[in-house]
Amino acid sequence: AQSVTQLGSHVSVSEGALVLLRCNYSSSVPPYLFWYVQYPNQGLQLLLKYTSAATLVKGINGFEAEFKKSETSFHLTKPSAHMSDAAEYFCAVSDRSDSWGKLQFGAGTQVVVTP
Amino acid sequence: EAEVAQSPRYKITEKSQAVAFWCDPISGHATLYWYRQILGQGPELLVQFQDESVVDDSQLPKDRFSAERLKGVDSTLKIQPAELGDSAMYLCASRADRGTEAFFGQGTRLTVV
Repeated sequence: AQSVTQLGSHVSVSEGALVLLRCNYSSSVPPYLFWYVQYPNQGLQLLLKYTSAATLVKGINGFEAEFKKSETSFHLTKPSAHMSDAAEYFCAVSDRSDSWGKLQFGAGTQVVVTP
Repeated sequence: EAEVAQSPRYKITEKSQAVAFWCDPISGHATLYWYRQILGQGPELLVQFQDESVVDDSQLPKDRFSAERLKGVDSTLKIQPAELGDSAMYLCASRADRGTEAFFGQGTRLTVV
């Protein structure tokens, strides 16, 4: 069984400051890991994914995440926050041995960007 | 760019009524998911199809929810009767056979009054 834990349900960051969203996973087998972003009343958009190639993954909108097996973490960062980054962010895990690709989501982190 | 289509975007229904949501996945995607997202929470899987077959419906409340994907393409999720606690966003997603990530539709926001 797999699961993800997102630390912090709400994060407030100043425009131009570092964005750091934390995600820890639990999986008995090597996982696929994902970060999705959701704007109000919208579906989920993929930001980036880890599928076992490079451990540092770059995504859209200047976001990146680093897979750390020893820490079972996949934290999301962006060097400089923009007002448009205000949204909810979800970390998700999928068991790569599961041919059905079932996704398990974290509870989400709401990001507020202040001027 | 191919998208997952969902309709309606918003639905208000009275409790005890029946309601249905429709999803058209990206063409060629064999895997289709229905997720429920309660306000302030992450999405939770309700049902997963591989082509027309259900591969996981362990979290689907089968006394009131049903889902079908008759020809292995589009899908319908039904609730009958709706309860107040069913108010949520219902998200459909699809994934290619050799793909890794799921692509999500815009969702249907259901309000039960």
